[in-house]
Amino acid sequence: GAGVSQSPSNKVTEKGKDVELRCDPISGHTALYWYRQSLGQGLEFLIYFQGNSAPDKSGLPSDRFSAERTGGSVSTLTIQRTQQEDSAVYLCASSFFGGEAFFGQGTRLTVV
Amino acid sequence: QKEVEQNSGPLSVPEGAIASLNCTYSDRVSQSFFWYRQYSGKSPELIMSIYSNGDKEDGRFTAQLNKASQYVSLLIRDSQPSDSATYLCAVSRVGFQKLVFGTGTRLLVSP
Repeated sequence: GAGVSQSPSNKVTEKGKDVELRCDPISGHTALYWYRQSLGQGLEFLIYFQGNSAPDKSGLPSDRFSAERTGGSVSTLTIQRTQQEDSAVYLCASSFFGGEAFFGQGTRLTVV
Repeated sequence: QKEVEQNSGPLSVPEGAIASLNCTYSDRVSQSFFWYRQYSGKSPELIMSIYSNGDKEDGRFTAQLNKASQYVSLLIRDSQPSDSATYLCAVSRVGFQKLVFGTGTRLLVSP
């Protein structure tokens, strides 16, 4: 596709439910990032995929968070047993190696 | 020490002035540097990239890189109220490792 695509754009879920957020990167991009941004705050790094290398999971805040990238393309971020503090905008970005990264429009997650 | 540091601001400038946004980084072997603009409620948007020491100009924007001082800056000439946003600095280490972002500087341009 022309740009990074994220779905859904908005997600409202009940506390304790699991959610899956999807990111479809720019075709040919080797690297994929997930960030979280709470209202008025900076980008919080979550996870980084680069080609076939083991992902850098150093930013995942708890074991309720996991992500996978299938076939070096689409990525899914899963949050299990959601909590209210998980409410934020989740941003995905892709790049060719560590070069210019382009962001999707984000998924706004609200846990009620 | 944070890997990429920016003053959070806000940096307030009058319309038509030059806005100067600064960023320092800790890893001396960093080789790629980027500036992003983020409007409230929107995703970050890439506006400049710079890889070599010196200046790089694109329209009203000039990125400046000084690897010896581990310093990168963004100058916005003839600032407009529409430039009001948060500006994020990002750095990539040697070997094209992951981008690391600063926390951003909020710029306010008053009419």
